[in-house]
Amino acid sequence: KAGVTQTPRYLIKTRGQQVTLSCSPISGHRSVSWYQQTPGQGLQFLFEYFSETQRNKGNFPGRFSGRQFSNSRSEMNVSTLELGDSALYLCASRLLTGTRRNEQFFGPGTRLTVL
Amino acid sequence: DQQVKQNSPSLSVQEGRISILNCDYTNSMFDYFLWYKKYPAEGPTFLISISSIKDKNEDGRFTVFLNKSAKHLSLHIVPSQPGDSAVYFCAASPFFGGSQGNLIFGKGTKLSVKP
Repeated sequence: KAGVTQTPRYLIKTRGQQVTLSCSPISGHRSVSWYQQTPGQGLQFLFEYFSETQRNKGNFPGRFSGRQFSNSRSEMNVSTLELGDSALYLCASRLLTGTRRNEQFFGPGTRLTVL
Repeated sequence: DQQVKQNSPSLSVQEGRISILNCDYTNSMFDYFLWYKKYPAEGPTFLISISSIKDKNEDGRFTVFLNKSAKHLSLHIVPSQPGDSAVYFCAASPFFGGSQGNLIFGKGTKLSVKP
């Protein structure tokens, strides 16, 4: 089974721009969560989507948004980029049922640099 | 306020010996715990998990122990191999009436296994 894929792997933007990141979950996984990793704050939860609806949201400003499509693929968008948004953005997918429903499997991440 | 704490930023172990990585948590609502291994510029790789109804789970060289009364868990790697050198993250999943997609991560422990 193919793993979680994320595109692009690297991205350089300037302050004030917006960016869209894409994630394809493992086949059969209907939940997609997004995380931000920075050296100072570590890995922090952004939001989770399943059935095309946002189910959980972390403590991030409204500039961070996402969506999920009917095939479970997900995108996240960051508008009005700030220098502090430079981070590794990780996507994770999981099953919604069964004894292993809490296990999340991560993609390789998108490294975003804001100049 | 950190709900999941990994108090040792680094650990160095000789090849063939046991590596013990520790994690403490504060929230009694956490009901599922996971360990991930991460290399730089890659996504975390799932290693092993444990439900709060158990006190031990074993998978090959990896064993996780959970002490609910102490709100403490540990990951044992036996025997340690140089390829185990990476950053290890402890994560917890809160339970609020259903499985959740918002894992809460510790800051990580960098394990170095010396040949």
